[in-house]
Amino acid sequence: DGGITQSPKYLFRKEGQNVTLSCEQNLNHDAMYWYRQDPGQGLRLIYYSQIVNDFQKGDIAEGYSVSREKKESFPLTVTSAQKNPTAFYLCASRQEVSTDTQYFGPGTRLTVL
Amino acid sequence: GQQVMQIPQYQHVQEGEDFTTYCNSSTTLSNIQWYKQRPGGHPVFLIQLVKSGEVKKQKRLTFQFGEAKKNSSLHITATQTTDVGTYFCIPRGVNDMRFGAGTRLTVKP
Repeated sequence: DGGITQSPKYLFRKEGQNVTLSCEQNLNHDAMYWYRQDPGQGLRLIYYSQIVNDFQKGDIAEGYSVSREKKESFPLTVTSAQKNPTAFYLCASRQEVSTDTQYFGPGTRLTVL
Repeated sequence: GQQVMQIPQYQHVQEGEDFTTYCNSSTTLSNIQWYKQRPGGHPVFLIQLVKSGEVKKQKRLTFQFGEAKKNSSLHITATQTTDVGTYFCIPRGVNDMRFGAGTRLTVKP
């Protein structure tokens, strides 16, 4: 919805492997976010970026890394250091310095076997 | 960021019954946004409330912002199975990006 794409929708990886989830937006939004959602739970903030080449840790950043080399793209790497990586990952964006709404991508469901 | 308490955490209703979820804050909010997440889906923006005492309607959904701007509610009249999902209320500011647990609504046909 709203011009944010995440791929793939489902992803399976073996334990110990790093995996990168993509997030692309064509809304010209300044800010982008990554959330993790576990079954029956709310959304927990992993990382966010308010401007290109800058990003901040959220509440559960350990075991994850991000980059923001382009305004449109904010990939998330789930590293082998993340103890329980199996979850639903949601990317979002919104225009910064305002109270604009957040637009979410469709999410990637990661399963680590 | 600003924190709100949303209640109830879960609500199970029979189709046709009404449903209300409440958001309460100890501080005055500048605005509040409501989102809905269907099972297996992603949060989708529903509405934003800004003015004290504001009431907005979307078909069977009625959103209210308290006079003191410390609380808000979402009321669904005559629930349908399509209303199933989790409803989140979030105060919004420049640096506010946290979501709470929301209220999870299930509807029995």
